[in-house]
Amino acid sequence: GAVVSQHPSRVICKSGTSVKIECRSLDFQATTMFWYRQFPKKSLMLMATSNEGSKATYEQGVEKDKFLINHASLTLSTLTVTSAHPEDSSFYICSAGRRLAGADEQFFGPGTRLTVL
Amino acid sequence: AQSVTQPDIHITVSEGASLELRCNYSYGATPYLFWYVQSPGQGLQLLLKYFSGDTLVQGIKGFEAEFKRSQSSFNLRKPSVHWSDAAEYFCAVGAAAGNKLTFGGGTRVLVKP
Repeated sequence: GAVVSQHPSRVICKSGTSVKIECRSLDFQATTMFWYRQFPKKSLMLMATSNEGSKATYEQGVEKDKFLINHASLTLSTLTVTSAHPEDSSFYICSAGRRLAGADEQFFGPGTRLTVL
Repeated sequence: AQSVTQPDIHITVSEGASLELRCNYSYGATPYLFWYVQSPGQGLQLLLKYFSGDTLVQGIKGFEAEFKRSQSSFNLRKPSVHWSDAAEYFCAVGAAAGNKLTFGGGTRVLVKP
């Protein structure tokens, strides 16, 4: 159990287009999902915290109008990169929080590699 | 503000030798500490975690980590490395298990035959 999926796993798009990345918790309900960004050979940087039914909380320096996050249900959060540019090329990883038996756990998706030409 | 430092960017170890990866954290309260492993182009797999209790934590794949509050450290160890352990390893800290995490810069482990 506790599987988190991301779709697509890879996407290549032209500069100026928008790309949507989905993050799903397959077998549990996640009240909170997190979006991270990882540059090549670098660590993960938290972009935003997504709570079901409310606006996402963005980390300092992350443009909320460029990285639109929607958490419409307890099993789905989406990240839309609007008007993508080559500098947005990166590995995007989501994670989902689950509470079980009073304890919180966090599970990571496999990541989505975005390449903007 | 919380932060995590992994002093070693790269470590090369011979297969069968022991491995220790260093992690130092800065956190204002009792931290939740994690070690994750990432294979190339893949997501993160949790190796182990520490919340409280016994400061020596056992994880998957034969890994263990020791929490030392006095040194603000949470070093990861494995007695005998296998070639499949070649990967990137990340230490992370959070306020709770389900909260956002702050990651260290990562340590890339190369395993020599």
